[in-house]
Amino acid sequence: DTEVTQTPKHLVMGMTNKKSLKCEQHMGHRAMYWYKQKAKKPPELMFVYSYEKLSINESVPSRFSPECPNSSLLNLHLHALQPEDSALYLCASSQDWASVKAKNIQYFGAGTRLSVL
Amino acid sequence: GENVEQHPSTLSVQEGDSAVIKCTYSDSASNYFPWYKQELGKRPQLIIDIRSNVGEKKDQRIAVTLNKTAKHFSLHITETQPEDSAVYFCAAQGSARQLTFGSGTQLTVLP
Repeated sequence: DTEVTQTPKHLVMGMTNKKSLKCEQHMGHRAMYWYKQKAKKPPELMFVYSYEKLSINESVPSRFSPECPNSSLLNLHLHALQPEDSALYLCASSQDWASVKAKNIQYFGAGTRLSVL
Repeated sequence: GENVEQHPSTLSVQEGDSAVIKCTYSDSASNYFPWYKQELGKRPQLIIDIRSNVGEKKDQRIAVTLNKTAKHFSLHITETQPEDSAVYFCAAQGSARQLTFGSGTQLTVLP
């Protein structure tokens, strides 16, 4: 099973709203990622969690707040977003990000398509 | 950090012809190079990958070649079919451990 599940599939929110995106995997992976993808562009890395600890924050604005409650779950809390934050938000997981010898096969979820009005 | 350049940005081929997409990378410590296919409205899916200790890998109609000296790698699709139409992204895993993606190639297979 190489399934990464994201909810919701679609989300429309106003600039004053607070919402959360959820991601779940049951492959025993210890690394989880959030990416932002604009139309016809590659995924842009936002955050990396390794063994439930935040390892990378790619200078993401504080209106995006990640959380990793356990090794299977990853959340992205959204608050006071801007219209330019509208995008596809992808979650991914891999077996072990920290190992320099392992190849970092990342499995992606189907994404949450976010529209900020 | 790692920088990955991908060409061409769009590619149209006739059904049955071959397609080649090329990528170059900058970090000589990069050791893993996956290719992802993303159909419209869907998730990126890994289609083939290669490690730096291998020069070529093949899986049915898809092959990837790697030239470490020149720091470039390529995706080859033979006998293309309409269902191969998608955006293809190359990526490289460098010393910073995260994947750096190329800008993508929109492949269109014309029937």
